[in-house]
Amino acid sequence: AQSVTQLGSHVSVSEGALVLLRCNYSSSVPPYLFWYVQYPNQGLQLLLKYTTGATLVKGINGFEAEFKKSETSFHLTKPSAHMSDAAEYFCAVRGSGTYKYIFGTGTRLKVLA
Amino acid sequence: DTAVSQTPKYLVTQMGNDKSIKCEQNLGHDTMYWYKQDSKKFLKIMFSYNNKELIINETVPNRFSPKSPDKAHLNLHINSLELGDSAVYFCASSQDLGGPQETQYFGPGTRLLVL
Repeated sequence: AQSVTQLGSHVSVSEGALVLLRCNYSSSVPPYLFWYVQYPNQGLQLLLKYTTGATLVKGINGFEAEFKKSETSFHLTKPSAHMSDAAEYFCAVRGSGTYKYIFGTGTRLKVLA
Repeated sequence: DTAVSQTPKYLVTQMGNDKSIKCEQNLGHDTMYWYKQDSKKFLKIMFSYNNKELIINETVPNRFSPKSPDKAHLNLHINSLELGDSAVYFCASSQDLGGPQETQYFGPGTRLLVL
């Protein structure tokens, strides 16, 4: 069985500051991991994903995430926050060979001017 | 061109009514999904179809019935609507079912309000 925990339902950062959104997962099979972003009144958009290979994954809009098997984590980072990054962020897991996605409860990112 | 589209975007209706939400994808994907997002933004899968065959059916009241007339369409019909059905319903599609290249693409959502 898979599950996802996102620590912090709300995160506030100043514009230009580091963004760190935390995601921990559990999976009984090798996981595929995803980060999605949801802007107000819109659907989810894929930021990045980890399947196999390099554990540091780069995504769109300057975001990246590192898969750490020993810590069962897949935290999302961005070196410098921009006002346009304000949105809801979802971490998701899917077991390899399965097609069911499990989503975390989301983290709302607020960027302060 | 919109990859995954849903109609209607907003739906306001009375308790007890029956309503349908339509979803279409033009990505050529084989698999389509319905998710429900509640007021706390919790996103939970409801159904999934692969090549018109039901492959995921979560614990959802049988008032909800998905229908896939072809690979590009997955509609959701809801009977006897209840207040608790108020939510945002997202359609999604993907290719390479279960494989490493599979990525879900989401529609813009249908905001359902039951009064």
